Amino acid sequence: NAGVMQNPRHLVRRRGQEARLRCSPMKGHSHVYWYRQLPEEGLKFMVYLQKENIIDESGMPKERFSAEFPKEGPSILRIQQVVRGDSAAYFCASSPRGYGGMGNIKLFFGSGTQLSVL
Amino acid sequence: TQLLEQSPQFLSIQEGENLTVYCNSSSVFSSLQWYRQEPGEGPVLLVTVVTGGEVKKLKRLTFQFGDARKDSSLHITAAQPGDTGLYLCAGTGGSEKLVFGKGTKLTVNP
Repeated sequence: NAGVMQNPRHLVRRRGQEARLRCSPMKGHSHVYWYRQLPEEGLKFMVYLQKENIIDESGMPKERFSAEFPKEGPSILRIQQVVRGDSAAYFCASSPRGYGGMGNIKLFFGSGTQLSVL
Repeated sequence: TQLLEQSPQFLSIQEGENLTVYCNSSSVFSSLQWYRQEPGEGPVLLVTVVTGGEVKKLKRLTFQFGDARKDSSLHITAAQPGDTGLYLCAGTGGSEKLVFGKGTKLTVNP
């Protein structure tokens, strides 16, 4: 009964390269959320996806960042032309249902991907 | 933007002591959740409170939601080294997005 799986756990990129972070939700969960966490900070919401649809991307930078959750396969958070300021821990969470009484939703988080940009 | 302020930011205590950490906002939240996060791991949900004045207990942890649903507290009795971690509160309001505070980093020394 695997939980939310994120890979890689650690990713090192040089400035200008692309970073791809993958997230496989828990079995039976069709809602995925991406958060970013800086040291000594809480989690900042980035994007909420349901299978094949972006529901809310209000927390995601307009440039260089994109996310998808295809019908088959994991959700992908893609950062193009990375800069040092992109260095952070990126967490994915999944839930069996989405917004609409979200207060009662239980989010299951993965262990995160630590992105380091040199 | 709804903000959650957590205090204290850091707390270091000895095993066996009691402690309370706080989560405050000027906004009303429809619900609040508390998570614990250990280094190198994702947050794990501890509890959700939805009713003003609600009190929930989880073994040695007691969670309270303020009457006005703007604040919450977490009290730990007889803290143990295994309680060490980052405690995050998160709330949902009008936007329905889950908004996180910056957390209280708790260290319980043996």
